[in-house]
Amino acid sequence: GQQLNQSPQSMFIQEGEDVSMNCTSSSIFNTWLWYKQDPGEGPVLLIALYKAGELTSNGRLTAQFGITRKDSFLNISASIPSDVGIYFCAGTNAGNNRKLIWGLGTSLAVNP
Amino acid sequence: DVKVTQSSRYLVKRTGEKVFLECVQDMDHENMFWYRQDPGLGLRLIYFSYDVKMKEKGDIPEGYSVSREKKERFSLILESASTNQTSMYLCATTSAGTGAAQHFGDGTRLSIL
Repeated sequence: GQQLNQSPQSMFIQEGEDVSMNCTSSSIFNTWLWYKQDPGEGPVLLIALYKAGELTSNGRLTAQFGITRKDSFLNISASIPSDVGIYFCAGTNAGNNRKLIWGLGTSLAVNP
Repeated sequence: DVKVTQSSRYLVKRTGEKVFLECVQDMDHENMFWYRQDPGLGLRLIYFSYDVKMKEKGDIPEGYSVSREKKERFSLILESASTNQTSMYLCATTSAGTGAAQHFGDGTRLSIL
């Protein structure tokens, strides 16, 4: 099936640094979602975006739905050790709002 | 909060066994999904259901079947387990009326020996 292009694949940063990751698609998307997965757990929804240009924050996290509707980014400010995990982007494209298309994830490690 | 409960966190079965993975949700959601997650391959959709007794194949349905007899329960069945089905299995749900955001259970780590 189709996959999103998510980058970077992994990041290793110092505590307190800001983090940015993004996802791109070859087709127009109607919804962009960002999830975080801790080891041994299921993904947890962080932010949902439903309109082109939409910028939404959740605490230290900020995500945007790209104007072209083909991309989205997630920023984490002032990272802390509990930010460690795998971050996934996902979305739906025209004609199918039930099935999510997923990126392969960005693995984040934070050095205290 | 949405609660999605998967029957087992860890499961070990033998090759050739019939394996049942159960998922129960408490929010009256119409749509339920089964994924498997493998390192480097992300989440891959096996089957989904948008109503009782309805099912649709996802991207990798081979070797699996599903059952949805009640709205709150969605079962994944491995008809004859094989070692290449060792994986993390994740169940998710979403309401038809509230957008595409899926809510996940904690997963079942299945090992086939």
